[in-house]
Amino acid sequence: KNEVEQSPQNLTAQEGEFITINCSYSVGISALHWLQQHPGGGIVSLFMLSSGKKKHGRLIATINIQEKHSSLHITASHPRDSAVYICAVRLYNNNDMRFGAGTRLTVKP
Amino acid sequence: DSGVTQTPKHLITATGQRVTLRCSPRSGDLSVYWYQQSLDQGLQFLIQYYNGEERAKGNILERFSAQQFPDLHSELNLSSLELGDSALYFCASSSSRAVSEAFFGQGTRLTVV
Repeated sequence: KNEVEQSPQNLTAQEGEFITINCSYSVGISALHWLQQHPGGGIVSLFMLSSGKKKHGRLIATINIQEKHSSLHITASHPRDSAVYICAVRLYNNNDMRFGAGTRLTVKP
Repeated sequence: DSGVTQTPKHLITATGQRVTLRCSPRSGDLSVYWYQQSLDQGLQFLIQYYNGEERAKGNILERFSAQQFPDLHSELNLSSLELGDSALYFCASSSSRAVSEAFFGQGTRLTVV
């Protein structure tokens, strides 16, 4: 079993829909990151979380440390949100990182 | 533009060869991270340097090595290359030694033939 599990693997939505991507992890962490990888390959760091909730524009990320679970929400989705979203955790004891397999999001106009 | 520069963007080389990938971090960032992204393994953390010293080590093969120079740029050296080393190699930088937000370069696509 992978230490970081994301769901769903693939997601197709209509423009304007509310999107949720989930991430569960099984290891002790010091932080969790949400990354966005565009079709061209470039990676952008969206959020770094160690507790609670963060919001940036239409994106919201939450983390529940007790349940070892994080969610990334996109409100009013847009075709330019189409990308692969990757959950990554930084291990508590040694700063090593583990990555989820990614969620491929396609938003149709 | 993240401010992190990686060169070269593309590299094609033969098995058994050695290559060097270069990363210039954002101005003022002391931490540099290296990651490998392959089709079968996904993203993997290789190594982190902070102000010239190794800070954290991930799934880095013995054939791979890295260093960070006094001007804070970093190089990832890959030797005795195998077909399976073909991947995207990303560098990221951040301002601190501990957990913090990182900014990614555009990556170097390595193809081993």
